[in-house]
Amino acid sequence: DVKVTQSSRYLVKRTGEKVFLECVQDMDHENMFWYRQDPGLGLRLIYFSYDVKMKEKGDIPEGYSVSREKKERFSLILESASTNQTSMYLCASRPHAQPQHFGDGTRLSIL
Amino acid sequence: GENVEQHPSTLSVQEGDSAVIKCTYSDSASNYFPWYKQELGKRPQLIIDIRSNVGEKKDQRIAVTLNKTAKHFSLHITETQPEDSAVYFCAASSTGGGNKLTFGTGTQLKVEL
Repeated sequence: DVKVTQSSRYLVKRTGEKVFLECVQDMDHENMFWYRQDPGLGLRLIYFSYDVKMKEKGDIPEGYSVSREKKERFSLILESASTNQTSMYLCASRPHAQPQHFGDGTRLSIL
Repeated sequence: GENVEQHPSTLSVQEGDSAVIKCTYSDSASNYFPWYKQELGKRPQLIIDIRSNVGEKKDQRIAVTLNKTAKHFSLHITETQPEDSAVYFCAASSTGGGNKLTFGTGTQLKVEL
């Protein structure tokens, strides 16, 4: 069974802090994704990666960066957290041309 | 890029009735269309998917239909049960799009007793 693990279920940070959200998958998937989920807006893609050290901007990359140093790990970085980045963050992974699997999500609050 | 529109945003049905959720997409190159169910406080989970070489796919009470000409696809749930209550998301992707899925904005389905 595919397992996508996000390091925290709930996280509270302060405005201006640098925030790291970690995601690990155990199925050797090439593709990994970070989304944010907000009521009425669905799942919006922030960044994705199709290989180690490769990254592509999604639909809403502003204020975020990512790192993929190892195939199994994909990190989302908020360089200087702001209150409008309070949201649910979902990581996902997917092998080529196969279904996508999500982690449990991290509910991030920026105070 | 791809744009996926999903309707309705909320849907309330009586237990035992059918529910239909519709999505349209903009990129004619899209060839993979999954549907996800997200229960409250849980991760989205794949319930059914269809590829562009197929017009319809069924799995027990769930079916998905695809009309490539009109660029729309639909989720059909028959004999609805209370446990079908959740948010449902449609999505579309193409192999040329970096394997990324573009999601609709979701449908909150409520099955009433």
